Amino acid sequence: AQTVTQSQPEMSVQEAETVTLSCTYDTSESDYYLFWYKQPPSRQMILVIRQEAYKQQNATENRFSVNFQKAAKSFSLKISDSQLGDAAMYFCAYRRNFGNEKLTFGTGTRLTIIP
Amino acid sequence: DTGVSQNPRHKITKRGQNVTFRCDPISEHNRLYWYRQTLGQGPEFLTYFQNEAQLEKSRLLSDRFSAERPKGSFSTLEIQRTEQGDSAMYLCASMNPGLAPYEQYFGPGTRLTVT
Repeated sequence: AQTVTQSQPEMSVQEAETVTLSCTYDTSESDYYLFWYKQPPSRQMILVIRQEAYKQQNATENRFSVNFQKAAKSFSLKISDSQLGDAAMYFCAYRRNFGNEKLTFGTGTRLTIIP
Repeated sequence: DTGVSQNPRHKITKRGQNVTFRCDPISEHNRLYWYRQTLGQGPEFLTYFQNEAQLEKSRLLSDRFSAERPKGSFSTLEIQRTEQGDSAMYLCASMNPGLAPYEQYFGPGTRLTVT
């Protein structure tokens, strides 16, 4: 079975600074996707960034980028120029690329932005 | 396209009562997922549908839980004889498996409180 581990329950960062959220996962599959989802307080979950396992290049979406280390099964999220609107729970998630593409989530990291 | 909607947004019920939640997916999405999120945890997969067919159920889905998607559009999740341990956020997500990048879009969730 696949597992996703987020070892940082809470993180904080000064506005405009950079923060990195950690995620490790375990799978025996070779074809899969990894995701970071953002869940603001009382609001719905939205996708921040995705990474396809067979792509070596790290994904980037504006201020958000990942460091994908396939051999180490590590998938961290870097948020640059942090903004107040980035405050939320961040979940790392895994999904295999065939069959039931259910998402397996980590326990989340609560990110606080300090003005 | 108004996104995935869920009703009700909040439900308070007494232990032993039955409750039913509804999810309306994005119209062209034929795959629909239910997840449960307890406090301080990431969402956990419950079940999913391909059109009207329920293809997989998690072991988390006890006999008191039943999900349907009768016409391949909206879905309902019913919990019979609710228990305090059923208190959680119930999330619905939909996806078009024929459209890359096969992203799941989440609804706002139904928060259930069992007293």
